[in-house]
Amino acid sequence: NAGVTQTPKFQVLKTGQSMTLQCAQDMNHEYMSWYRQDPGMGLRLIHYSVGAGITDQGEVPNGYNVSRSTTEDFPLRLLSAAPSQTSVYFCASSYSRGALNTEAFFGQGTRLTVV
Amino acid sequence: KNEVEQSPQNLTAQEGEFITINCSYSVGISALHWLQQHPGGGIVSLFMLSSGKKKHGRLIATINIQEKHSSLHITASHPRDSAVYICAVGRPGGGSEKLVFGKGTKLTVNP
Repeated sequence: NAGVTQTPKFQVLKTGQSMTLQCAQDMNHEYMSWYRQDPGMGLRLIHYSVGAGITDQGEVPNGYNVSRSTTEDFPLRLLSAAPSQTSVYFCASSYSRGALNTEAFFGQGTRLTVV
Repeated sequence: KNEVEQSPQNLTAQEGEFITINCSYSVGISALHWLQQHPGGGIVSLFMLSSGKKKHGRLIATINIQEKHSSLHITASHPRDSAVYICAVGRPGGGSEKLVFGKGTKLTVNP
């Protein structure tokens, strides 16, 4: 099993450009999430999904869009990149077990620089 | 004040030493996660616990729900244990899709 796969690993964008960060998992997990990691801060939740067709905002959603058309894929779209979106982005997935936590699986991260 | 606080922020140890990393949280939780992040690498789940204690090899995680505190212990530390260790909590009523993270503890183990 590949687990959680993120592409690309590295990306440089110019201010105002748009792009999509890809995330795919092959574990049939219902839950998928996007986090960003910035120096001196803990990971922060951008958007999450509890199943195909269902998404919701996290702590820092502004400037990002998501959709979940299949269980496997959860792309993150940057609409108009800004230098403040320079960060390392992690996708995570986990099983649904009602209100119980299950182990979270993370991708290798995408390092994005906006110039 | 952050909902999840870790201490220390940085920790340097000699090979073989016993290491403790602490995590305190200020909100109700459904579970607490300990994660490991190697330099330039992804994040790996070490433990998920909601009560008591768990052990995996040289790693031990404990949690005290009443005191809202968890510890991660590493026995007989080795240079390959050098990494950032991250504490995260899941909120009551939710699964692991909305974790709240501490800032991490950077551990360096010297040979």
